[in-house]
Amino acid sequence: AQKITQTQPGMFVQEKEAVTLDCTYDTSDQSYGLFWYKQPSSGEMIFLIYQGSYDEQNATEGRYSLNFQKARKSANLVISASQLGDSAMYFCAMREPWNQGGKLIFGQGTELSVKP
Amino acid sequence: EAGVAQSPRYKIIEKRQSVAFWCNPISGHATLYWYQQILGQGPKLLIQFQNNGVVDDSQLPKDRFSAERLKGVDSTLKIQPAKLEDSAVYLCASSFQGRSYEQYFGPGTRLTVT
Repeated sequence: AQKITQTQPGMFVQEKEAVTLDCTYDTSDQSYGLFWYKQPSSGEMIFLIYQGSYDEQNATEGRYSLNFQKARKSANLVISASQLGDSAMYFCAMREPWNQGGKLIFGQGTELSVKP
Repeated sequence: EAGVAQSPRYKIIEKRQSVAFWCNPISGHATLYWYQQILGQGPKLLIQFQNNGVVDDSQLPKDRFSAERLKGVDSTLKIQPAKLEDSAVYLCASSFQGRSYEQYFGPGTRLTVT
């Protein structure tokens, strides 16, 4: 069965510095997708970045990049130049193959606090 | 483009009562998901619809939870009777059929069972 592990319950970072949020996954499938979502205190889940299992290059979206290490089964999120508005819960998720339904499986989350 | 709409935003009920949540997905999105997010945990899929058919309801407690998506658009999720452990945020998400990845989430309904 697929599993996502986020080992950092909480992280602190100074404004304008970079921070890495860890995510490891476990699957026996060859085709899968990895996602990061941000959940502010208001509750909605905001899509940040996606990496397909066959993508050779690391995904980037603005200040977000995904450090994808397939052999180690890790998909860490790097946020550069942190801003106060980045304070939120961050969830790593894996999409099952479509022939299994394609649902997202989420990790436990990491709470990021950005200090001024 | 309007996002995923959910109502109500908050609901407080007593155990053994019933409750219903409503979701309106983004126009044109064929796939609709209901997730349960217990405090301190990541969301867990309860049920997934493709148009008005169920794709996955393996984690839906069918003795008390039910969901429907009439006409392949709006969806309702019902709990009857509610238990204390049902206290959670219920998130609805939708995605465009054929898109490989992106799910768009609604603001959620926070349920408190006392």
